[in-house]
Amino acid sequence: SQQGEEDPQALSIQEGENATMNCSYKTSINNLQWYRQNSGRGLVHLILIRSNEREKHSGRLRVTLDTSKKSSSLLITASRAADTASYFCATDRYQAGTALIFGKGTTLSVSS
Amino acid sequence: DVKVTQSSRYLVKRTGEKVFLECVQDMDHENMFWYRQDPGLGLRLIYFSYDVKMKEKGDIPEGYSVSREKKERFSLILESASTNQTSMYLCASSPGALVNEQFFGPGTRLTVL
Repeated sequence: SQQGEEDPQALSIQEGENATMNCSYKTSINNLQWYRQNSGRGLVHLILIRSNEREKHSGRLRVTLDTSKKSSSLLITASRAADTASYFCATDRYQAGTALIFGKGTTLSVSS
Repeated sequence: DVKVTQSSRYLVKRTGEKVFLECVQDMDHENMFWYRQDPGLGLRLIYFSYDVKMKEKGDIPEGYSVSREKKERFSLILESASTNQTSMYLCASSPGALVNEQFFGPGTRLTVL
């Protein structure tokens, strides 16, 4: 079962521009996480935002969460070529253990 | 640094073979997970374990089994490999009884011929 759906599926920008990716989900959550995956590698955790938080920052990353709309966004400011990767949102399975449900991801391409 | 290692980066097997994918974590995490990743489908949970000898089915357990005899090791078993099990397999671990950050291994790209 797929919970999170990222939008857009693919995004191409120039270095220095901002990149925004969105995630929508279907059921109540305790938290939402964002992960990055470089081509053909494992995923790396970026940020976790809890259901009682509205916004969280980590370096050039800004994540927002709107539980009333069941949506989240990831903003990467001043993008670099090294940000080229796939980005996934993941939600918990509300009161059903420690497993996550991942979306299908947004592929970000940053060209110099 | 948390480290999750997987036994192979690339694996080629024949249809009908029994396949073992091994995952080891060195951070004493309670939870371990197996996912498969396919183009256009994202990550799908196969099985997970929250304790030694405990296992829970994920979203797509058919054709797979798992074993967790020691806390640090979680094995995924394909009893009789089929071509539709050709995929990237990702192992992850996380600490504690609540939902936390998951730490991923580098993945095993399995091809079944």
